[in-house]
Formats: sequence, C-alpha cells, structure tokens
Amino acid sequence: GGIITQTPKFLIGQEGQKLTLKCQQNFNHDTMYWYRQDSGKGLRLIYYSITENDLQKGDLSEGYDASREKKSSFSLTVTSAQKNEMAVFLCASSLRQGKNTEVFFGKGTRLTVV
Amino acid sequence: AQKVTQTQTSISVVEKTTVTMDCVYETRDSSYFLFWYKQTASGEIVFLIRQDSYKKENATVGHYSLNFQKPKSSIGLIITATQIEDSAVYFCAMREGGNYNQGKLIFGQGTKLSIKP
Repeated sequence: GGIITQTPKFLIGQEGQKLTLKCQQNFNHDTMYWYRQDSGKGLRLIYYSITENDLQKGDLSEGYDASREKKSSFSLTVTSAQKNEMAVFLCASSLRQGKNTEVFFGKGTRLTVV
Repeated sequence: AQKVTQTQTSISVVEKTTVTMDCVYETRDSSYFLFWYKQTASGEIVFLIRQDSYKKENATVGHYSLNFQKPKSSIGLIITATQIEDSAVYFCAMREGGNYNQGKLIFGQGTKLSIKP
C-alpha cells in the first residue's frame, strides 16, 4: 500500500499572494494530478504530470503553475490568490502504463483567501 | 472534446433498495476507460468500479454494478441492497486511451446519494 500526503491541510492566504501547495506519494506512481473542488461541485483538473519534469495543462490551468521535480512529488502554485476564494485542492496519483489503473487521492488542502 | 456529465444532483432512497445513478460521456477516442468514485462526508475519495470500453460485459464489484450502453455513451452505476453507509457523493470519470491524452482523467459534477432508514 501507499499514501498521498498533502501539505498544508489548511491554507489561509491574502488577496494577491502567491501560495504553494505540496504533494508527496510513495506508491511509486508515474502520473500525478492536481484537481480543484469547489463547495458542492465536481473535480476540475488543473495540471497533471505523466513523469518527472513533465507538465500537462488541464481545463483550469490559468492562474496556476505546477512543478514535478521528482517522481514522488508534485507541487501547485496559486500565482495570485483571489479574494473570497475558497476551495479544496486534491492531489492524486496513478500508474501510467495500463491506463485503466485506478487513481488514488490525498486528503486535500483547504484554501481560504481573505 | 472529452466531457463527462452527471445530471442528477441528488438522489434519496430508502435503505435496502436499489438505486441507479446516470452518467454520459463524450469522447472521440475508440478506446477509453470509465470509472466511478465515491466521496464520503469526510472528503475521502475512493475508487469503486471500472469499465473498459472494449469490454461488452458490465463490470460488477460487490453490490456495485455498471450499466454500460456504448451506443448511448452512457455508464450508469447501480447499487443494490443499499446501506446507510452508502450515503456519499458519487463521481463518474473517464480516461481516454489515446497516446495524445496520456493519463488525463476528468470527472463529472457528482451525484449526492442519501440513504434513509
């Protein structure tokens, strides 16, 4: 078994601030994802990475940067936090080969912008 | 373009009955994979069941089964003998199988299921 660890669990930022969220996985998975979930809504893909140093944009990449410097870690940066923004950011990972493999999720980082 | 749509926002059923949740998808790929995930009240998201597009037989895992209707681009989730602990939000998801879209997994909006005693 393995685990996906997201830090921090809670993040409070100020409008205009640059904020970084981190994710570590010990599954030895190739592919990692960042999703955003707004209250009562579905998961929207921000960025994903199929291997170390790879980055692929999702449907919601504007306003975000991502970095995959190691296979086990994937970080997400909110380039300029928007006032009153509240959302949960979920990191996930999966094997790349055999695209029918399941995705495992972390417990999320809850962002509040004041 | 790749798209997954769940039109049922919420469903409420009595315990021990059967419930079906709908999901339709759009894809240009001939090979794709469909998934259902469950998000509990704590926020945890767990994988439930998968259907490969090339398989005609509907997938079944425990009291979860799928109704795969490929001509209609539809993948319904059926839960039989529902239990209180099945109360959660259920997400449908799709991953296309082509090389140009390696690993991209997109989700529907979710259906909130409430099981009443």
